[in-house]
Amino acid sequence: DGGITQSPKYLFRKEGQNVTLSCEQNLNHDAMYWYRQDPGQGLRLIYYSQIVNDFQKGDIAEGYSVSREKKESFPLTVTSAQKNPTAFYLCASTETGGAYQPQHFGDGTRLSIL
Amino acid sequence: ILNVEQSPQSLHVQEGDSTNFTCSFPSSNFYALHWYRWETAKSPEALFVMTLNGDEKKKGRISATLNTKEGYSYLYIKGSQPEDSATYLCALRTGTASKLTFGTGTRLQVTL
Repeated sequence: DGGITQSPKYLFRKEGQNVTLSCEQNLNHDAMYWYRQDPGQGLRLIYYSQIVNDFQKGDIAEGYSVSREKKESFPLTVTSAQKNPTAFYLCASTETGGAYQPQHFGDGTRLSIL
Repeated sequence: ILNVEQSPQSLHVQEGDSTNFTCSFPSSNFYALHWYRWETAKSPEALFVMTLNGDEKKKGRISATLNTKEGYSYLYIKGSQPEDSATYLCALRTGTASKLTFGTGTRLQVTL
């Protein structure tokens, strides 16, 4: 079945460490996104990519980095510069050919600081 | 940063009740309004993508309307069932870039 796979489901990080969250899709979608959810807040956009080898900052990009070397993959690195990384992270993708396509989401990764 | 607001924040109804929630957004630079349903332990699922002022969309017992001039959309659920329990998110797209700005959601709980 086509879909979006995020791994791992749970991730623990020590202070000062970088960690990378994986997002893979087999939907042949051009655009991919990373969101963060904190309690009581909506999904906030971290980074997005509308095409391979190109990406843009979202509303809360500080302390994060991404790459888009392949259409299927959009990994997110949470760096040690991110002061409050504990959150739930969602990856999404969409077609960009149609003007009004919905986004498709993975199951998320919950990141906690030890 | 755009301000997309949803109300109420949470809602508790009995099985069989009909209910509705609101999504408010700035009407300038409107491109599309999305609705998603997010059940616990699952990923968000798209319900509707609405684009035209006066649009009305329906999917089973769930329907939505859109007013782009005044900047709001309503989501209606007719005859709520326990399986409708979820958080309902709306999200605004303002241009050709496909990124969305989400509201904080309305959490619906339907009890027997």
